[in-house]
Amino acid sequence: EAQVTQNPRYLITVTGKKLTVTCSQNMNHEYMSWYRQDPGLGLRQIYYSMNVEVTDKGDVPEGYKVSRKEKRNFPLILESPSPNQTSLYFCASSLQSNSPLHFGNGTRLTVT
Amino acid sequence: AQSVTQPDIHITVSEGASLELRCNYSYGATPYLFWYVQSPGQGLQLLLKYFSGDTLVQGIKGFEAEFKRSQSSFNLRKPSVHWSDAAEYFCAVGASGGYNKLIFGAGTRLAVHP
Repeated sequence: EAQVTQNPRYLITVTGKKLTVTCSQNMNHEYMSWYRQDPGLGLRQIYYSMNVEVTDKGDVPEGYKVSRKEKRNFPLILESPSPNQTSLYFCASSLQSNSPLHFGNGTRLTVT
Repeated sequence: AQSVTQPDIHITVSEGASLELRCNYSYGATPYLFWYVQSPGQGLQLLLKYFSGDTLVQGIKGFEAEFKRSQSSFNLRKPSVHWSDAAEYFCAVGASGGYNKLIFGAGTRLAVHP
């Protein structure tokens, strides 16, 4: 089944403790992206990647890192999480830049 | 700067009633416009998209949307709502001319009364 898989689904952590949210797609998609969803703000793009080793900032990249060492994986890294990064995070992928986006089921992160 | 406004945060309709969700956008060029639906605990699913051509576009689940350039609007409609349509709906514009960088509205949460 074609899908975008994020792990974990839920994560509670403390300020400053490094964490990684994984994202994997099995559709051989070139394009991958991370969004965060906050009430009243919709979804905002954090980072995106056009292909392996090609990444770029979205609208809200501060406090986040990404890597794209292989095509299927696009992890989101929070080196020193802060409470304002408490949010619902979505990974998405598409075959190319002009193809439909497929979203994962989300990761709800709470930073205390 | 590009932006998307969904004026209605919450909408409640009765099952079988018609539905219109409003979306207004701000974008300098011809926009690429999308509607997504998010069911509880799920990711976003594409309902329909507009790139060019016919301004009335048909989507999945019986939804349609009409692009009106003069009003900078892309409203979503459904003639008869089903209880399973209860979800959150997001309008989005492709800021770089495609799917690369979507600018989303804040969403409209739809409740359906039996």
